[in-house]
Amino acid sequence: GAVVSQHPSWVICKSGTSVKIECRSLDFQATTMFWYRQFPKQSLMLMATSNEGSKATYEQGVEKDKFLINHASLTLSTLTVTSAHPEDSSFYICSATSSPTSGRFSYEQYFGPGTRLTVT
Amino acid sequence: GQNIDQPTEMTATEGAIVQINCTYQTSGFNGLFWYQQHAGEAPTFLSYNVLDGLEEKGRFSSFLSRSKGYSYLLLKELQMKDSASYLCAVMDSNYQLIWGAGTKLIIKP
Repeated sequence: GAVVSQHPSWVICKSGTSVKIECRSLDFQATTMFWYRQFPKQSLMLMATSNEGSKATYEQGVEKDKFLINHASLTLSTLTVTSAHPEDSSFYICSATSSPTSGRFSYEQYFGPGTRLTVT
Repeated sequence: GQNIDQPTEMTATEGAIVQINCTYQTSGFNGLFWYQQHAGEAPTFLSYNVLDGLEEKGRFSSFLSRSKGYSYLLLKELQMKDSASYLCAVMDSNYQLIWGAGTKLIIKP
């Protein structure tokens, strides 16, 4: 159980275009979803935290208007990179936490497989 | 500020034992996680400690000392597939995960 999927797994786009990444919890309801970015040989950098039905909370330095996050249901969150530029090329990973009544413990994060974005 | 420290890289021999240390200073503490991440893949959960002591799970064990702000991940009977980055993460008082930079473990035959 506790499977998180991401789509697409990799994407190449031209500079100036927008890219949408989907994150789905397949077999549990995700009360909270997290979006991370990871550059080569670096650790995970939290971009934003989103709760279903409310606006995402962005980390300092992350542009809200550039990285649009929508958490429309308990099983789906989307990250849209608007007007992408080559410096946005990175590995984007989502994770989700289940409700406190399920899972091994309340706040374990289940990670999706990641999306590799390359902006040319 | 909040800080997680772990070695950048370690090398060990196949079949041996390796200990990866993690020290932390955070605003509150709601548990410490260890994740394994192979290159190009997302992290996978290894262990969770919230009380002091040693948690053993097969070849992997994790230790926590809250008074010292210290944890270690112990890997026994190393296999080549254990070559990966190992991430230490602490959940703070706001239930946010604070991530270490990760320790790249290289296993040699």
